[in-house]
Amino acid sequence: SYELTQSPSVSVSPGQTASITCSGDRLGNKNVCWYQQRSGRSPVVVIYRDSKRPSGIPERFSGSNSGNTATLTISGTQAMDEADYYCQAWDSSTAIFGGGTKLTVL
Amino acid sequence: EVQLVESGGGLVQPGGSLRLSCAASGFIFSGYAINWVRQAPGKGLEWVSGIRGGRGDPYLADSVKGRFTVSRDNSKNTVYLQMNSLRAEDTAVYYCAKSESTGSGSYPFDPWGQGTLVTVSS
Repeated sequence: SYELTQSPSVSVSPGQTASITCSGDRLGNKNVCWYQQRSGRSPVVVIYRDSKRPSGIPERFSGSNSGNTATLTISGTQAMDEADYYCQAWDSSTAIFGGGTKLTVL
Repeated sequence: EVQLVESGGGLVQPGGSLRLSCAASGFIFSGYAINWVRQAPGKGLEWVSGIRGGRGDPYLADSVKGRFTVSRDNSKNTVYLQMNSLRAEDTAVYYCAKSESTGSGSYPFDPWGQGTLVTVSS
C-alpha cells in the first residue's frame, strides 16, 4: 500500500523559514494537500493541488511537489503557526495521510 | 457559512455497532462529497470513507471494508457512517469533511466538522 513519510518534528525560530517535507513513491505525479491542526482543533487545509493556497490562508504558506518529495514552506514563521501538519494524496481510490510533523516555534 | 456537525459518537463494546451522522448546511449538499477521517488519541489522521455527491458512489478504506458502510440522505443534508463489528482500534475522534469529489483527484477536504469521539471498550 502507498505510504507518505514525514519527519516527526521540525523546530524553527520566529521569523525564520520552516520547511516540512513529505515523501512518497513518484509523489510528484500526484496532487498533494497540506493540513494544519492546532492543538485541540480540527484540521484546516493550508495548501491544495501542490501549491494553491485557499482564501484566508496567509501568503507565508507555500507548497511545491516534484519527484518523490512535496514540501510545505512557511516563511516568516509566527508563533500561531505552531501545530501539526499533515500531507495528503490519493492512491487507488484511498486518501493517504502522512504521519504528521509537529512544528515547534521557539 | 458552510458548517458540518457530527453526532452519534459514544462508548460501545467490542463487536458492537454505532451510527455516526454528519449534518451539513450552507451549501448545495447534493453536489458535494463528504468524507470521514478519524484520529486515534495522540495519533495522526486516517481517512475512513468518502461518498460522492449525486448518486453517492461510496469509497471505504481497506481497514474498515466489510464492517463500515457510508450513505447519504440528500433530503436531510446528512451523511451517515454505519460502523459494525467495532474493535478497540476503531477508537478515535471521527471528523467529517466536505470536498468537491472523493475517491481520487485534487480536491481538498474543506471544511472539517468538530468531530465526535467513538470509544470501543468493554
